[in-house]
Amino acid sequence: KNQVEQSPQSLIILEGKNCTLQCNYTVSPFSNLRWYKQDTGRGPVSLTIMTFSENTKSNGRYTATLDADTKQSSLHITASQLSDSASYICVVRGPFSGGYNKLIFGAGTRLAVHP
Amino acid sequence: DSGVTQTPKHLITATGQRVTLRCSPRSGDLSVYWYQQSLDQGLQFLIQYYNGEERAKGNILERFSAQQFPDLHSELNLSSLELGDSALYFCASSVSSDRGPNTGELFFGEGSRLTVL
Repeated sequence: KNQVEQSPQSLIILEGKNCTLQCNYTVSPFSNLRWYKQDTGRGPVSLTIMTFSENTKSNGRYTATLDADTKQSSLHITASQLSDSASYICVVRGPFSGGYNKLIFGAGTRLAVHP
Repeated sequence: DSGVTQTPKHLITATGQRVTLRCSPRSGDLSVYWYQQSLDQGLQFLIQYYNGEERAKGNILERFSAQQFPDLHSELNLSSLELGDSALYFCASSVSSDRGPNTGELFFGEGSRLTVL
């Protein structure tokens, strides 16, 4: 079954600290993986996209990694800021079926950055 | 601003009623997706349209229906509303129909918050 699992479910860190969020997927075949940031009550916004051949990609203080062999991705946040408080959602673009590539969403990790 | 417009932003109604949520995709985007997000839950995929045609269906209840019009805007109709239908309903758009290993990004609207009393 095609699934995306994220951990931890929630996380509290102090401002200025680093953290790493995990995404494990069983989707096959795999097209790409995106990390989205969702502020409370707002729509998600894409942070990064990882394709099969990419291992690391950075977007400012956000760095995503992908290990296609173990089917794991991580999102590392450096020097956290209060504005990083949000849910982070891992979305995998999966099998091509019925004329389209299915999107499989993780449940998200809720990050709270405290001063 | 993602370029995706959703109306209304907030809606309060009673059980048994019917409501319509509207979505205008980004200019040029042909695909529209609808998602439901209950309190403290993840995004649940409801339905996708591409250029006016239904492309994919998720966990959409029979009481819910949607369509995409020739001008590409979409409406989600929710009927016989129940308390459990209270949620944020997001619309997203993308350029493509998701055919092939493309890298289509979803652009989300700000959501319509539905409260059923």
